[in-house]
Amino acid sequence: QVQLQESGPGLVRPSETLSLTCNVSGGPISPYYWSWIRQFPGKGLEWIGYIYFSGSTNYNPSLKSRVTFSIDRSSNQFSLKLHSVTAADTAVYYCVRGPKYSWNAYDSWGQGFPVTVSS
Amino acid sequence: DIQMTQSPSSLSASVGDRVIISCRASQNINSYLNWYQQKSGKAPRFLILSASTLQNGVPSRFSGGGSGTEFTLTINNVQLEDDGFYFCQQGHSTPITFGQGTRLDIK
Repeated sequence: QVQLQESGPGLVRPSETLSLTCNVSGGPISPYYWSWIRQFPGKGLEWIGYIYFSGSTNYNPSLKSRVTFSIDRSSNQFSLKLHSVTAADTAVYYCVRGPKYSWNAYDSWGQGFPVTVSS
Repeated sequence: DIQMTQSPSSLSASVGDRVIISCRASQNINSYLNWYQQKSGKAPRFLILSASTLQNGVPSRFSGGGSGTEFTLTINNVQLEDDGFYFCQQGHSTPITFGQGTRLDIK
C-alpha cells in the first residue's frame, strides 16, 4: 500500500518561499497524478494543483502565479514551492494521490504537514 | 469555479440513527462527486467515488446518491466511530473544490 510523507520547514517567514517535499513509498510514481491540498485552521480545504508523473501540471488559478510543482521519478518524490507567502498561507499541507490515471479523486493521503507563516 | 455547499454544517446523532448529509454544486457536475471522512488530527479518508461507489473497506452502512447538482451521503445505523468531519469534493473540472464540511457528533 502506497504511503506518502510530507517534509519541510514548519515555519516560514512572510514574503519567503514555502517548500515541501512528498516522499512516496510502497508504490510507483507512474501512472499517477500527484496533488497538493491544504486545509486551513477553520477546516476549509483548498486544492493547490497536481503534477502528473510525466511532469505536466495543473495549478489552481488562485495560486498559479506563486506555485511551482516538480517531480523526481528516480527518487519517488514530488515537491511544492509556494512563493511570497503571507499569513493566509498558514495551513496543513497534504500530498495526495488518486486512483490510477485519475486526477479528480484522492484515495491516498499523507499525514499532513502544518506550516505556519509568521515572522 | 464550481461552488460546493454542504448542509447541515453540524449535526448530532445517536447510535443507530440514520444520518443524511447534503451537498449541492453550483452547476451540473454529473456524478463527479466524492465524499471523505476526517477524524480529528488525521488525514481524510476516501469514502465514496463518483457519487455512489463505496471504497474498499468502507462499511456498507455508508451510501451515496445523487447526480447533477444535488448529492447525499447517508449513514444508516450510525456508530460511535462515525463521528468526525465529512466533506464533499467535485471532480468535474479544475480547480477542484470542496464543500465546507459537516461536523457529525455521536451522542
